[in-house]
Amino acid sequence: EAEVAQSPRYKITEKSQAVAFWCDPISGHATLYWYRQILGQGPELLVQFQDESVVDDSQLPKDRFSAERLKGVDSTLKIQPAELGDSAMYLCASRYSGGSGANVLTFGAGSRLTVL
Amino acid sequence: AQKITQTQPGMFVQEKEAVTLDCTYDTSDQSYGLFWYKQPSSGEMIFLIYQGSYDEQNATEGRYSLNFQKARKSANLVISASQLGDSAMYFCAMRERGEAAGNKLTFGGGTRVLVKP
Repeated sequence: EAEVAQSPRYKITEKSQAVAFWCDPISGHATLYWYRQILGQGPELLVQFQDESVVDDSQLPKDRFSAERLKGVDSTLKIQPAELGDSAMYLCASRYSGGSGANVLTFGAGSRLTVL
Repeated sequence: AQKITQTQPGMFVQEKEAVTLDCTYDTSDQSYGLFWYKQPSSGEMIFLIYQGSYDEQNATEGRYSLNFQKARKSANLVISASQLGDSAMYFCAMRERGEAAGNKLTFGGGTRVLVKP
């Protein structure tokens, strides 16, 4: 069964350091999402891509976060500098954009970030 | 206003019994989809069930069924014959299909379910 790949699974860093997360969506899925999930809460959308274009980054803290999907396939989410409040699970998801059905979002296993 | 509201932060259920998880939503769109995801302690989000706003019948997937009441804007998840492996966080989510919404998925705050043997 096709999966969304994410790495690293776990990252511990000190505040003010840079950190990067990588996501490889399911082949053929044009839409890619990055969500942030703080412990005990529901995921919140950070950025949404359609192919290589950003569709929605209204909730992305652009002073420290950046995201790219240069060739419309895999994607990188970067935080620089990391702050204590960035400790969270970062979830990547992808979705097939065609047809008129459910087009369910498939999530990766997530990257859990701890900022010390 | 919250788009997705899950009012039960946590629930206990006895093994083999059924449990209902509440979800209400807020949208002015006519075309939208409602989803339920399960998140075990490992962290991955697992898709359970989907209901389209134009679907006339309630969705069912194995032991999962969705009680969709469009006029009340509710989409409750029913898990029948609970198993120990059902212990997890459960999230209700909505995707609005309007251009402004951009097909993003908005999640509720989740309900933690603990199945007792």
